[in-house]
Amino acid sequence: EDQVTQSPEALRLQEGESSSLNCSYTVSGLRGLFWYRQDPGKGPEFLFTLYSAGEEKEKERLKATLTKKESFLHITAPKPEDSATYLCAVQAGQAGTALIFGKGTTLSVSS
Amino acid sequence: GAVVSQHPSWVICKSGTSVKIECRSLDFQATTMFWYRQFPKQSLMLMATSNEGSKATYEQGVEKDKFLINHASLTLSTLTVTSAHPEDSSFYICSARDPPRDTQYFGPGTRLTVL
Repeated sequence: EDQVTQSPEALRLQEGESSSLNCSYTVSGLRGLFWYRQDPGKGPEFLFTLYSAGEEKEKERLKATLTKKESFLHITAPKPEDSATYLCAVQAGQAGTALIFGKGTTLSVSS
Repeated sequence: GAVVSQHPSWVICKSGTSVKIECRSLDFQATTMFWYRQFPKQSLMLMATSNEGSKATYEQGVEKDKFLINHASLTLSTLTVTSAHPEDSSFYICSARDPPRDTQYFGPGTRLTVL
């Protein structure tokens, strides 16, 4: 069964304290791994797509990496505005199939 | 680019009435749209997959007669909650697939409260 597990469930950081969020997955025929950010009461905001092991993508203080079993979202010198829930999702099989989401990591950054 | 809108952003209705939620892709054509439901502090739960011009595919446990989905054009999908009851109160989110990027972009969500 295809499965996505995110850890930790919640993470509290001080401003400037770098850390990483983990997304481990078990899926047959990975087509893509996606990271989204969700603020309370809003829809998820697309961050990154990773397609193959070894791939990395960066956006401001965020960097996403992918191996054959897991993905990491590295947050460098976070700011309070980075506080949100970060969702990892995988797509398997054919193009256009539904995403399989993890439960998310809720990040709180205090100043 | 890749903006998805939802309307309304929130709605309050009486038990027994029907509510329609619209999902539009504003700057791309979406052959496939998805409808999700999200409970407080939980992740997204896929309800159905909607393909333009064909019947929606519902996930197990989702009543298709209660949650009517129509994908009449490449930029619009609608979800109608029929005979709504308090247990249908939730946050409903749609997403639209942008084929060239094979990426799903999400709408801002609709908060439904049934009294």
